[in-house]
Amino acid sequence: GESVGLHLPTLSVQEGDNSIINCAYSNSASDYFIWYKQESGKGPQFIIDIRSNMDKRQGQRVTVLLNKTVKHLSLQIAATQPGDSAVYFCAENLGYGGATNKLIFGTGTLLAVQP
Amino acid sequence: DTAVSQTPKYLVTQMGNDKSIKCEQNLGHDTMYWYKQDSKKFLKIMFSYNNKELIINETVPNRFSPKSPDKAHLNLHINSLELGDSAVYFCASSPAGGRGQPQHFGDGTRLSIL
Repeated sequence: GESVGLHLPTLSVQEGDNSIINCAYSNSASDYFIWYKQESGKGPQFIIDIRSNMDKRQGQRVTVLLNKTVKHLSLQIAATQPGDSAVYFCAENLGYGGATNKLIFGTGTLLAVQP
Repeated sequence: DTAVSQTPKYLVTQMGNDKSIKCEQNLGHDTMYWYKQDSKKFLKIMFSYNNKELIINETVPNRFSPKSPDKAHLNLHINSLELGDSAVYFCASSPAGGRGQPQHFGDGTRLSIL
């Protein structure tokens, strides 16, 4: 199901370090997953996605890992920069009969990069 | 050349009023969505339209009425606004077929009910 916390989980890292943000998803039928970055005052911005037939996908400075056995998703950011500071959301795609897709968003993790 | 644009960015109004939020996308997508983000940053889908046809309605009160005049526009009209409607509302779009395609979001409309 969906969870709502009283406050966002926060990950604080030093500039230049690697960051790992974790996410547990709820539906074993989900077959597509997306990571979004949301900066203050902005909408969610697509970072990287992965389909359920893969367990790893790499982008520029980012890697997404998928473990379907335990329904776990992670986002790794290499050499974290101050501009990476934002709230990060994972989302699972339940599909909806093909005409559209229904995204279920996780709670979000606040990444704070210390200079 | 913003891909998904919403207006207004901020909306402050009194309880009981009726208001509309507009959304337009220039990505050529067939599917558009409305999401609500609460004060805890929780983001939840409200509606989805595909080629002007309602596909998803997530048990949203019928005070909320989306309208899609064409596939590039999805407006949200809200009647009899309540305090609990205060939130940030995001419009999004995705290509036809949707499945396995990321959704692209606008920058949101912050609705504050006095």
